[in-house]
Order: sequence, then C-alpha cells, then structure tokens
Amino acid sequence: TQLLEQSPQFLSIQEGENLTVYCNSSSVFSSLQWYRQEPGEGPVLLVTVVTGGEVKKLKRLTFQFGDARKDSSLHITAAQPGDTGLYLCAGARVQGAQKLVFGQGTRLTINP
Amino acid sequence: DSGVTQTPKHLITATGQRVTLRCSPRSGDLSVYWYQQSLDQGLQFLIQYYNGEERAKGNILERFSAQQFPDLHSELNLSSLELGDSALYFCASRDGTGELFFGEGSRLTVL
Repeated sequence: TQLLEQSPQFLSIQEGENLTVYCNSSSVFSSLQWYRQEPGEGPVLLVTVVTGGEVKKLKRLTFQFGDARKDSSLHITAAQPGDTGLYLCAGARVQGAQKLVFGQGTRLTINP
Repeated sequence: DSGVTQTPKHLITATGQRVTLRCSPRSGDLSVYWYQQSLDQGLQFLIQYYNGEERAKGNILERFSAQQFPDLHSELNLSSLELGDSALYFCASRDGTGELFFGEGSRLTVL
C-alpha cells in the first residue's frame, strides 16, 4: 500500500500546455516536499511546504499544500521540454521525522 | 553536483552473490539515508544513520545491512542477491534544514 499516491503516473503533453500533478494521502503530513529526478541522477529538491493551504511558486511551477495537510499539487504553466523528468512528492509524518515517505512519482514528458 | 558521492555507478552480478555499495555524504552532513528505487515501487526508504548510529529503519530485508563509519561514509551490504534486488540504490545526506541531497545512485543488476 502506497502511503502517498501520485497521479497521473505518466503524462505526455505538448510544449506550452499547462499541467497539474497530484499527490494524495489519507494521512496527515507535517511537511511535504517535491523533488525532480532526471535520468541517471538522484532526485533534487524543488520545494518544501509545511503549512496547510500554503502556496509556493518557483518560476512557472506552483506548489500547493492542502488545507488538511493530506495532499499537494504541482502545477506547471506553459510547460517546456526542460521540464521533462520524474516528479516525486515526499512527506514527513511528524515534524523532524527522520524518514521521508515517497510517492511512486509522475513521469512527465514535454514534447517540442 | 549534490556533493554526495556513490560508488560504484553500475554493478552487474549473479544471484546468490554479495555486493557492497559505498556512499560519502556532503561535507558537514552527519546523516546518511539509503533508498531503493525500482520501476514498480518508486523510492523505498531502507535505513538511516546519524553520526555512526542507526536512527531509523524502513523496509530493509534481513539480507541487507548497512553501517556508517567514523569518517561518516556509509556502506550498504546486499547478500544472497535475488533477481528482484535489481534496482537503483540511492544514498542521501541531510542538512540542518531537513533537505535531502541525493547521490547519483548505484545501478545494481542481478542476473
């Protein structure tokens, strides 16, 4: 059973389109992180959200933490081929938790 | 470059064998995390060490073991290897803000 469910698992869209990736759970998390992983490399942290309802923006990427801190979304505006990669959400069940639980990832392909 | 170094990058071995994966954390980071990434299961937490001591344990098989040495590098030992152990094994170190920095991974193929 996956504690964090990401959807969709695969997404292929054209350059310039918008997209949203979801990370859902029935459990509450004290914080949630989004990572991006490219082939042959390890995941790289994009953002951490800690407050219910929090919205963070990173250029064309908008991250939102659900009010109940059980879910999160990543919205990309005007996607570019350079956005291609595996996007992973990861949550900490309690503040300062040593163990991060990862979702299974969303593999995003942006076609030129 | 995350500052976390993993060796080897690629490893091919046979079932029943034993391998050791090595990780050097970022300078100054005391925590080392090991994760397994396979195609169908995403990133699975295996084990965490902090300054030489085991701090948290995940879904690590009894055939697997790890340790962190006084110089803070860590080794993950995988024994009696099975086909299903083929995966990417990532090491990460954690800074004071809680951010994880991942190495490039060790790709293990068991034939």
